[in-house]
Amino acid sequence: AQSVAQPEDQVNVAEGNPLTVKCTYSVSGNPYLFWYVQYPNRGLQFLLKYITGDNLVKGSYGFEAEFNKSQTSFHLKKPSALVSDSALYFCAVRVSSSNTGKLIFGQGTTLQVKP
Amino acid sequence: NAGVTQTPKFQVLKTGQSMTLQCAQDMNHEYMSWYRQDPGMGLRLIHYSVGAGITDQGEVPNGYNVSRSTTEDFPLRLLSAAPSQTSVYFCASRRTSGEFNEQFFGPGTRLTVL
Repeated sequence: AQSVAQPEDQVNVAEGNPLTVKCTYSVSGNPYLFWYVQYPNRGLQFLLKYITGDNLVKGSYGFEAEFNKSQTSFHLKKPSALVSDSALYFCAVRVSSSNTGKLIFGQGTTLQVKP
Repeated sequence: NAGVTQTPKFQVLKTGQSMTLQCAQDMNHEYMSWYRQDPGMGLRLIHYSVGAGITDQGEVPNGYNVSRSTTEDFPLRLLSAAPSQTSVYFCASRRTSGEFNEQFFGPGTRLTVL
């Protein structure tokens, strides 16, 4: 079965330090991976995606993600965290190569950046 | 563009009542979907549609109905509300043509069933 796992419910980091939010996936076939962010009382916003090509994907707000096929991971990273990065982050995988394929979400990781 | 809009933002229902959550998008997206968000469970797909007149079930379809009579609108109907349907509901849309397009989400509807 297709699935996405985010092993950490919460990640705490000091402002200015690098951050990593972890994601692992299980799919049959090629993975199409996404990261979304949700600020309090808001809908989800797209951050970045991996379809094919370079393993390091750059996205919005200075975030990037590293695709690792051998470890089936797609970890979200940022070199220097900001307090305003505090939010709920979701990893998601497209379950089919078809454009009509459904999106399966992980359970979410709360990122807390402290001043 | 207004993007994806949802109404109402908040709703309280009694067990057994019915209601419709509205979703509209003005981006001419073919694909639309409904998710529910519950603590610790991420987003779970309820129903989705790949175009007007075409709908299909997601992971958790029981207790919900959808229809897609136009490209713009994708309402979600609760036939007989139950406390287990207390959740935050998100509508999303995306294009299906071209590369693997990201979804655009509405602001959500917070539903409480007493």
